[in-house]
This record gives sequence, structure tokens and C-alpha cells, in this order.
Amino acid sequence: SQTIHQWPATLVQPVGSPLSLECTVEGTSNPNLYWYRQAAGRGLQLLFYSVGIGQISSEVPQNLSASRPQDRQFILSSKKLLLSDSGFYLCAWSYGQFNQPQHFGDGTRLSIL
Amino acid sequence: DAKTTQPTSMDCAEGRAANLPCNHSTISGNEYVYWYRQIHSQGPQYIIHGLKNNETNEMASLIITEDRKSSTLILPHATLRDTAVYYCIVRVRNTGNQFYFGTGTSLTVIP
Repeated sequence: SQTIHQWPATLVQPVGSPLSLECTVEGTSNPNLYWYRQAAGRGLQLLFYSVGIGQISSEVPQNLSASRPQDRQFILSSKKLLLSDSGFYLCAWSYGQFNQPQHFGDGTRLSIL
Repeated sequence: DAKTTQPTSMDCAEGRAANLPCNHSTISGNEYVYWYRQIHSQGPQYIIHGLKNNETNEMASLIITEDRKSSTLILPHATLRDTAVYYCIVRVRNTGNQFYFGTGTSLTVIP
């Protein structure tokens, strides 16, 4: 069966510090991968998606970037965090076919001080 | 951008059926309707999805109107653990097959 792992579960970072969140998927190959952010009390906002190694599409301009160095690894990064980057970050995967659901990880709660 | 509208909140008595409505009047002919739920501080959990026929699984039933402009998620016997935010999503058909989440319906199951 397929599983998705995100870490860390919680993170507290100072403003201006760098960020690296990692997501890995097991049990499947060539998945579509997604990063979402959820602000407190809000819905999920799609940040990035990837349909293959090295292929990244950005949904919104922001202080963050994403990379996919391996087939089942998706990384969310920032060089200098802003207060507005606080939130709940979720990684998801799906098969490439259109009618397949996305499956989410347990998320990383990021607090910027 | 979200293509669905849902009530902000609903209550349901424990043991009764919970019927959660969703409007998606601009849905295209080949776009699927998905339902997810999110319990506080967890990732969204997939519930069910469908195109035009009604669907049922071990978690819920999905009723899609004949014109496909609205749907209803039915939890047949709601329990306290079903208290969550429920998202109705119409999936964009393009390269990434992205989901665009709205703000969902906050369902509270009352003992």
C-alpha cells in the first residue's frame, strides 16, 4: 500500500531564517505531488504541484519554492521566512490519471516568530 | 479557484443521517466531484468521488443531481467522530489535475 510521510510535524522558526520541509511517498512510482498551505481557520491553498522529477508548477507568487530531486520526494523551501509564511503545510500525492483522488500527509505546523 | 459553494456550518444529531449539500453549477461534463473531510490539525481525508452516477462506499454515499449542478454527501449514521470540516471539490482537468479547496462545511455531530 502507499504511504506518505511529512516531517517535521511542528516547526518554530525565526523571521528571516531558511526553511526546508520534506515529503516522501512510498509504494508507488511517478506520482503527482502537491504542496498546500492552510492558514488558521481557512481552507487549503494550492502552492505547487509536480508531475515528474524536476517539473514544478507554481500556483501563486510567494516567498517559497519547491523541488523534486527524486521521483517520490518533494521539498518545500524558503531562503528567508516571513511572518506571513506561518501556517499548516500539507503534502499530497495522486496517480496521474484524472479521476484519481489525492492522498494527504499529516502536515507540518510552521510558526514564525 | 474553488468552483463549489457549501454552507458554512451544519449540526447533526448523533445516529442520524448527515446530509451535506454542495453547489457546482459551472461544472464541466468531464469534471469529477470529490469529497474530503478534515479533522482539526490533521491532513484532509478522502471520502468519495463521482462523475454523474450516485456512489457509495463504506464511509458515505454521494448523490449527484441529473444536471450535475449540485451534489449531496450523506453520512448514514453520524457519530461524534464525524465532526469535521467537509470539503466538496470539483477537480480542474489539466496537466496537474489540481484540487482547489473552498472553505468547506463545518459539521458538528451533537450527542
